[in-house]
Amino acid sequence: DIQMTQSPSSLSASVGDRVTITCRASQSISTFLNWYQQKPGRAPNLLVYAASSLQSGVPSRFSGSGSGTDFTLTISSLQPEDFATYYCQQSYSSALYTFGQGTKLEIK
Amino acid sequence: EVQLVESGGGVVRPGGSLRLSCAGSGFQFDDYDMTWVRQAPGKGLEWVSGINWNGGSTGYADSVKGRFTISRENAKNSLYLQMDGLRADDTALYHCARENEGIAPGVLDIWGQGTLVTVSS
Repeated sequence: DIQMTQSPSSLSASVGDRVTITCRASQSISTFLNWYQQKPGRAPNLLVYAASSLQSGVPSRFSGSGSGTDFTLTISSLQPEDFATYYCQQSYSSALYTFGQGTKLEIK
Repeated sequence: EVQLVESGGGVVRPGGSLRLSCAGSGFQFDDYDMTWVRQAPGKGLEWVSGINWNGGSTGYADSVKGRFTISRENAKNSLYLQMDGLRADDTALYHCARENEGIAPGVLDIWGQGTLVTVSS
């Protein structure tokens, strides 16, 4: 199975900061990489798909990049509503998808 | 409104069984592959199982293979997860999610709020 490793596991930042979260796959997954945001008590919400495409309705301060094994999610200027947990997910192995362990973004 | 609603969770003893259901509405259910994802208390997301649009292809995480069975009944817009041989580490909130190949392969664009399964003696 493909393993996904996110770093850091947690991150403290301030409103207005630029933040980058990294996701690494245990083997090449091309651009079959998606990012989700989850707030406490809520279901996850799709942010970025196919490594770099922004889901409809997601603010442009979010962006994704990468291919192969290394990927990043960047928030260009943190807003109060962005404090949440972020997960990457590989969709390269059909019906054997896996998530990263999550990155909790907290207010400094 | 497009939505997914899970049901069937509860408290069960180790070794017991439970059947989860997920009802879809607001979209053409049989146009989409479907997935179960779980989240243990205070932990991250874990992909559990997936099924293609007509039920002809399924997949399972190693942690549940041989114990869980995914199925669907398109005439009832419903997805199921039969869970047998339950263990304490199966305790989690179980979400169903829609895979939207129209966006990209494996993208989960609609999620239910989840149903809680607790395995305890």
